[in-house]
Amino acid sequence: QVTLKESGPALVKPTQTLTLTCTFSGFSLSTTGMRVTWIRQPPGKALEWLARIDWDDDKFYNTSLKTRLTISKGASKNQVVLTMTNMDPVDTATYYCARLQGTTREYWFDPWGQGTLVTVSS
Amino acid sequence: QSVLTQPPSASGTPGQRVTISCSGSSLGSNAVSWYQQLPGTAPKLLIFANDHRPSGVPDRFSASKSGTSASLAISGLQSEDEADYYCATWDDNLNGVLGGGTKLTVL
Repeated sequence: QVTLKESGPALVKPTQTLTLTCTFSGFSLSTTGMRVTWIRQPPGKALEWLARIDWDDDKFYNTSLKTRLTISKGASKNQVVLTMTNMDPVDTATYYCARLQGTTREYWFDPWGQGTLVTVSS
Repeated sequence: QSVLTQPPSASGTPGQRVTISCSGSSLGSNAVSWYQQLPGTAPKLLIFANDHRPSGVPDRFSASKSGTSASLAISGLQSEDEADYYCATWDDNLNGVLGGGTKLTVL
């Protein structure tokens, strides 16, 4: 059974850097074809894709947020870390991690973590 | 950045069939997936690779894609289908692209 769970601060101040961890089980990011992705959702708004990391350490970022995002494998083999710099109140959202399945031109997100709400406020 | 366009809302009465559309240029060369988000919960995969249902998803849910448009159909609408529905695909830069979501109301 594959599960993912997000963790990190619930509150960050404007201009600070957010660090979120996705801890997963049921698969290994060292296995060929495995990928993990981050998606966020501001309160009452739509989902927004943020970043992806592949088993071979390939990384892809939302073009609009690329300068602020860094995705990496965590210190533990079953973790992926997302950092976002220069946080702003508009970054207030629930942040989800999900396993990315499929192949080129045919990817899908499954399963998703439960999400973690991050509020940006002074 | 590529976009996927969905109607903001849809509705139907119990037992009806409703469809939700999704359009965008990236669909022309990439598969679509669909997600259901019940109130207060994380999204859940409904359809992958254009028209495939994961195990556990009722066959009341079906989907199709043609060119740069896709649609999700829900037949035999039930009250528990009231949720937000999102389509997703990938662009040529391997960036994820998500639709704006459709809020389905069961009248």
